[in-house]
This record gives sequence, structure tokens and C-alpha cells, in this order.
Amino acid sequence: EAGVVQSPRYKIIEKKQPVAFWCNPISGHNTLYWYRQNLGQGPELLIRYENEEAVDDSQLPKDRFSAERLKGVDSTLKIQPAELGDSAVYLCASSFAREDTQYFGPGTRLTVL
Amino acid sequence: AQKVTQAQTEISVVEKEDVTLDCVYETRDTTYYLFWYKQPPSGELVFLIRRNSFDEQNEISGRYSWNFQKSTSSFNFTITASQVVDSAVYFCALTLYGGSQGNLIFGKGTKLSVKP
Repeated sequence: EAGVVQSPRYKIIEKKQPVAFWCNPISGHNTLYWYRQNLGQGPELLIRYENEEAVDDSQLPKDRFSAERLKGVDSTLKIQPAELGDSAVYLCASSFAREDTQYFGPGTRLTVL
Repeated sequence: AQKVTQAQTEISVVEKEDVTLDCVYETRDTTYYLFWYKQPPSGELVFLIRRNSFDEQNEISGRYSWNFQKSTSSFNFTITASQVVDSAVYFCALTLYGGSQGNLIFGKGTKLSVKP
């Protein structure tokens, strides 16, 4: 069974540019998560989807970050405009349901210059 | 508020040594899950174990074992006869039952280096 797929794996942009990350969860997983992992830290949740609905986006910086999960499958996380402090690894995870184990993708390493 | 503390930032051992990674958690809730994940240099977080707060039985899986003690709010992870492939950053995490379930609270991780 295929795991969580993320693209791109790496992205380098200049500040003030937009950037988007894509995630395809494990087939059949209804819950999808985006986490941000700063260097030397553990991941921190940005947003959680249950099917198409964003049920917890309290940690998402809404002035510049947006996310969508069309048709309850793939998801896109966008930053516009990017700032230097956004440099981090962005991880996508999925689970069958909220109470189940989360499985993570390989992440997208973002560098903002 | 919930918190996970991994006091060991980095550990270095020689192959075949046993090593224990410590995890201490804080929560006022009585029902919760605890996890361990492994993050090798490739970056992907690999799930190792999930334990619920009602199950204090220790678990062994091959060279891996976990010791859960509610009395000390600890969930320690031991690797027996370590191997070079065990080199990675290991994260302990906590989530609650109920409305905020699914929001994993991670520690800062322990970087394990196993030298040949």
C-alpha cells in the first residue's frame, strides 16, 4: 500500500514569493493533517481536515497561509507571501479517523532566502 | 496544557550497546495516547508504537521495548543491541481523547547516533 505522498520534496524561494505544497494521503484515510517542523524541534500542527472540512485550523497563520482539501482526498497548503521565518519542513500526515494512528509523508523542505 | 519533554538532546553509543530514550509527559486528562516516531535522515516520520493511558503493560517488539509508567508520567523507549541503522531522531508524542484528539503534541526529539 502506498504511503503519504508529498511534493515537492525541496523548494527554495525568495521572500515575498508564493509557494504551494501538495499532499496525497493514504487511500481511505479520511483525516489529513499539515504540520510544520522547525529545525531541531518536533512537528507542530497547522491544520486538520476531516474529509473536506477543516476542523482545527487554530494554529494556521491565516494572514498568509491557506489550505484546501478538495473532494476530501488531496490537499494543498499555500503560503503567500513567504517570509524568512517560514523556512521549515512541512509534513503531511493522514489517518483513517481522528482517533487512529497518523502516518506521515516525507515532507517538503522549504528554504526562504 | 499538554507537554512532552525529551531531556536528552543527543545520545551517542557504539553498536551493540543498549540505549534508553526518555520521555516525560504532562497532562491533566486521564485518557490519552502516547506515541513514538522515528525520523531518519531522509526526513519521514516513521510510526513505532501507540499506547493508550489505560494500558500500562510494557511492550517488546524485536530489539525495541517500551516502559510506560503513569506514576511518573514517563514513556521510555529502549533499543537493545543497537545498530547503525537505528541512527535517527526519535520523537515522543501525546494526544488526548475528545475534541482535540488528533493534535499530536511532540517533544523536541532525541538524536541517536550509533557508531560502528
